Amino acid sequence: AQSVTQLGSHVSVSEGALVLLRCNYSSSVPPYLFWYVQYPNQGLQLLLKYTTGATLVKGINGFEAEFKKSETSFHLTKPSAHMSDAAEYFCAVSHSGTYKYIFGTGTRLKVLA
Amino acid sequence: SQTIHQWPATLVQPVGSPLSLECTVEGTSNPNLYWYRQAAGRGLQLLFYSVGIGQISSEVPQNLSASRPQDRQFILSSKKLLLSDSGFYLCAWNTGTGVRHEQFFGPGTRLTVL
Repeated sequence: AQSVTQLGSHVSVSEGALVLLRCNYSSSVPPYLFWYVQYPNQGLQLLLKYTTGATLVKGINGFEAEFKKSETSFHLTKPSAHMSDAAEYFCAVSHSGTYKYIFGTGTRLKVLA
Repeated sequence: SQTIHQWPATLVQPVGSPLSLECTVEGTSNPNLYWYRQAAGRGLQLLFYSVGIGQISSEVPQNLSASRPQDRQFILSSKKLLLSDSGFYLCAWNTGTGVRHEQFFGPGTRLTVL
């Protein structure tokens, strides 16, 4: 069965500092991996996804993530945090042959001025 | 372009009352449709998904049910709400060609059961 673990339910960074949000997955088949962002009382918006090909994926708002099969990880990074990045971030996994996505429990990012 | 609507946006209901939440998608045909519940600190819990009219898969046994009466309409229902049904309900869709494509989420319904 697939699963997703997001280490750290809350992460705080200073404005301008590196953002690193961790995601580890468990899957017995090649995964499709996604990062979503959620602002308060809104739906989720896709930041980036990995399906096949290049393992470093660039998304919107300056975020990127690297698929590391050997580490079963898909960590999200951004070189310089902005106040507008404060939100909750969700990692999700799926795979060919299913219609379902499995989401992590989320990481709430706080950006300090 | 495609859009997804959910209503109502907020709802306060007493325990034991019925529930009906509606989700509609515009600008696409034969989408896969999903209902999730989001509770604090628990991420997104998949409740139901549907790959076609009248086809419903249930992921979590509970007092909720779902129906898909039309291609782009997905309804979440309950006959008697429990306190534990409180949460943020999200509807989502993706293209029928599969999960390598991302989901698109609606704005959500905040349900409070008192």
